[in-house]
Amino acid sequence: GAVVSQHPSRVICKSGTSVKIECRSLDFQATTMFWYRQFPKKSLMLMATSNEGSKATYEQGVEKDKFLINHASLTLSTLTVTSAHPEDSSFYICSARVQGNNSPLHFGNGTRLTVT
Amino acid sequence: RKEVEQDPGPFNVPEGATVAFNCTYSNSASQSFFWYRQDCRKEPKLLMSVYSSGNEDGRFTAQLNRASQYISLLIRDSKLSDSATYLCVVNGDSNYQLIWGAGTKLIIKP
Repeated sequence: GAVVSQHPSRVICKSGTSVKIECRSLDFQATTMFWYRQFPKKSLMLMATSNEGSKATYEQGVEKDKFLINHASLTLSTLTVTSAHPEDSSFYICSARVQGNNSPLHFGNGTRLTVT
Repeated sequence: RKEVEQDPGPFNVPEGATVAFNCTYSNSASQSFFWYRQDCRKEPKLLMSVYSSGNEDGRFTAQLNRASQYISLLIRDSKLSDSATYLCVVNGDSNYQLIWGAGTKLIIKP
């Protein structure tokens, strides 16, 4: 089945630094990837939709200048959390769909970010 | 009304029992439906798609009721390893948009 690889799986950084998270589709091309955030015991929250070759679409309330998304190729999207603060500590998950309207989402393993 | 609603649970069920839970959706035009399971501190994993005629995969049966706008998941002969949060996903105004329920927590007890 389709595989999505996300890296790193865990990162601890100091407040004020930036962190880059990579999301790769390993055996299919993904023109669109999705970035989610999940706080403990809460549901997945869609942050933004990453579009290959064009600007990402951000959900309401998500700061595009803080969460930089780059979808440079059909198999790679990156999310950079800039000037991270402790409240940015969360579980970040990327996902992608194989082409086709009724195809499900396939998820990366997630990145647990802790900002100290 | 939320676009996709699930009973958060937790459902505490003895091992070997049958358990079922529903997920209601508000958009009557929705065409794609999925069940995912998420283990604690892990990413969601696709459990099964839900087809109009209903479908079964081993101990798991998914059904769609368009008239009442809900999907269901039934787990037979539950195992300890079935303990997880079960998320339903429905497409929104376009198949491009997927809307997530908040999940139903299932705890299987020995």
